[in-house]
Amino acid sequence: SYVLTQPPSVSAAPGRTATITCGGNDIGSKSVHWYQQRPGQAPVLVIYYDSDRPSGTPERFSGSNSGNTATLTISRVEAGDEADYYCHVWDRSSDQQVFGGGTKLTVL
Amino acid sequence: EVKLSESGGGSVRPGGSLRLSCTASGFTFSTYAINWVRQAPGKGLEWVSSFSSGGDTYYADSVKGRFTISRDNAHNTVHLHMNSLRAGDTAVYYCAKPFQEHVLQGGMDVWGEGTTVTVSS
Repeated sequence: SYVLTQPPSVSAAPGRTATITCGGNDIGSKSVHWYQQRPGQAPVLVIYYDSDRPSGTPERFSGSNSGNTATLTISRVEAGDEADYYCHVWDRSSDQQVFGGGTKLTVL
Repeated sequence: EVKLSESGGGSVRPGGSLRLSCTASGFTFSTYAINWVRQAPGKGLEWVSSFSSGGDTYYADSVKGRFTISRDNAHNTVHLHMNSLRAGDTAVYYCAKPFQEHVLQGGMDVWGEGTTVTVSS
C-alpha cells in the first residue's frame, strides 16, 4: 500500500517560515491535500490539489508538489498556527485514501 | 450551513458490533462521496472507508471484511457497520465530505465533530 512520510515535528519562531514535507513514491503525480488539526478539534482543510487555498485559509499558507515530495509552507508563522498538520492523497492503484503520519508544528 | 454529524459511538467488548451514522445537512447529499476517518488516542488520522456518489464502496485493509459502509440518500445518512471489533479500533470516528461533487480524490472540506468508539474488555 502507498505510504506518505512526514517529519514528526517542525518548529519555527514567530514571523519565520515553517516548511512541512510529505514524502511518497512519485507523489508529484498525485493530488495532495493538507489539513490543520488543533487539539480536541476536527481537521480543517488548508490546501487542496497541491497548492489551492480554500476560502478562509490565509495567504501565508502555500503548497507545492513535485517528484517524491510535497511541501506545505507557512510564511510569517503565528502562535495560532501551532497544530498538527497532515498530508493526504487518493491512491488510484489501491483505491484507497492515504494520510501521512502527521507533523506537529511548534511555534517557539 | 453545511454540516455533518456523527452518532452511534460507545463502549463495546472485543468481538462486538456497533453502527455509526453520519447525517448531513445544507448540501445536495447524493452528489458527494462520504468518507470515514478515524483517530486513535494520541495518534494520527487513518482513513477507514468511503462511499462514492456513484455507489462504489472502498475500505482500508485494516477493516476490510469487518466493516461495511452503506448509504441512504433519502435520509442524507451514511452508516458504518462495524463487526468483530478489536482494541485497535478504539478511536474517534469522523465523517467528512470532499469539497467537489462526484469525486473521491478531492480534499475533505467539511468534517463532523466525531464520535468515540472504545473497544475494551
